[in-house]
Amino acid sequence: DAGVTQSPTHLIKTRGQQVTLRCSPISGHKSVSWYQQVLGQGPQFIFQYYEKEERGRGNFPDRFSARQFPNYSSELNVNALLLGDSALYLCASSMYTGGPSYEQYFGPGTRLTVT
Amino acid sequence: AQKVTQAQTEISVVEKEDVTLDCVYETRDTTYYLFWYKQPPSGELVFLIRRNSFDEQNEISGRYSWNFQKSTSSFNFTITASQVVDSAVYFCALSEVLTGGGNKLTFGTGTQLKVEL
Repeated sequence: DAGVTQSPTHLIKTRGQQVTLRCSPISGHKSVSWYQQVLGQGPQFIFQYYEKEERGRGNFPDRFSARQFPNYSSELNVNALLLGDSALYLCASSMYTGGPSYEQYFGPGTRLTVT
Repeated sequence: AQKVTQAQTEISVVEKEDVTLDCVYETRDTTYYLFWYKQPPSGELVFLIRRNSFDEQNEISGRYSWNFQKSTSSFNFTITASQVVDSAVYFCALSEVLTGGGNKLTFGTGTQLKVEL
């Protein structure tokens, strides 16, 4: 079975631009989460979606937004890019959400570089 | 707020040595789950184990073992007879249920394990 897939793999953008990252969850999984991992740090939670509804939001500015589609894939949008947005963006999927036990399976990430 | 501390930034061992990665957590929840993930150079986080707060039994899976001690809020990970392929960054994480009905993982800063020949 295919795992979580993300596109693109790498991306270089200029400050002030906008970027859209894409994620397809494992087949049968209905929940998608987004994490930002800055070099040398652990992943930080950005959003979680379940059945197209936002179920959680981390401590990120409004420049970050996301949505989930009927096929459970998801997009993360970041507007007005800053140098500090340079990071590995990880998408994770889980079958359900709402309880602390659900394992999240991660994709390979999108490496975003802002110059 | 929940917190996970991995005090060891980097560990270097010679192949076949045993190595223990430490994880200390803070939470006010009575029910919680702890996880370990492995992140090889490719960047993808690989799920290793999940442990709930009611189960303090140690677990062994091949060369991997985990020691969960609620009294000291620790969930340590031991690799026996390490191999070069074990070289990676290892993250400990704590799961938290969110007010919106979702759940998130709070990660530690990771421990870089280097296994040399």
